[in-house]
Amino acid sequence: DQQVKQNSPSLSVQEGRISILNCDYTNSMFDYFLWYKKYPAEGPTFLISISSIKDKNEDGRFTVFLNKSAKHLSLHIVPSQPGDSAVYFCAASTGNQFYFGTGTSLTVIP
Amino acid sequence: SQTIHQWPATLVQPVGSPLSLECTVEGTSNPNLYWYRQAAGRGLQLLFYSVGIGQISSEVPQNLSASRPQDRQFILSSKKLLLSDSGFYLCAWSVRGITQYFGPGTRLTVL
Repeated sequence: DQQVKQNSPSLSVQEGRISILNCDYTNSMFDYFLWYKKYPAEGPTFLISISSIKDKNEDGRFTVFLNKSAKHLSLHIVPSQPGDSAVYFCAASTGNQFYFGTGTSLTVIP
Repeated sequence: SQTIHQWPATLVQPVGSPLSLECTVEGTSNPNLYWYRQAAGRGLQLLFYSVGIGQISSEVPQNLSASRPQDRQFILSSKKLLLSDSGFYLCAWSVRGITQYFGPGTRLTVL
C-alpha cells in the first residue's frame, strides 16, 4: 500500500522558470513531510521539510506547501537552474518510520 | 557534525554467495538506523530499521537480514544472494523521526 505518491514520473522546465513538484499522501497521522534530491548512484540529499502543523516552509529557492485537507504537498523551486536536474523524492514520517514516493525526475533546460 | 559511511561503494557477487554491507554513523548517539533498496527505476523500499542495539524491525519478507551490533553500526547480510537482490542499497539515520539522512549507497550486482 503506497501511502505517499508522486504521480508525475518526470517534469521538464525552462531555466529561470518555476518548477512545481507534487506529492499526495493517504495517512493523516504523518508528522513531518520531507523533500529529497537524488543524483544517479548517490544517496538522496535532504532539501527541506515541513511539520504537519505548518502550511508553508521556505528555504532560499525552495518552498514546500502543505495542504492537509487535500493531503497534498508540493515543492516549488524558483528560479529553476540546470543544476536542479535530478530525481526528487517526497517523504512522510510518523513515529520512527519514513515513507517515500517513487520520485519525479526534473529536467531543467538551459 | 554528523556523517554516515557505507561500504563497499560497488559490489559484484555471484548468485548464492553471501553478502555483508556495513554502515556506520558518526557524530550522533542512539540514532534510528535504516536500510533501503532502490531497484532500477523504482522508489525507495524500506528493508529494515532499528531504534537501538539489537532491535531490528523487518518491513518485507526476503532472504536478507540486518544486525546492529553497536550503537552506530548497522549491517545488512544475506547467506545466499538471489538475482533479485541486485539494486542500490542505502543506509540512513534519523533522530526522533524528524529528518532522515542518507549514506552514499552501495551498488550491488548479482550475476
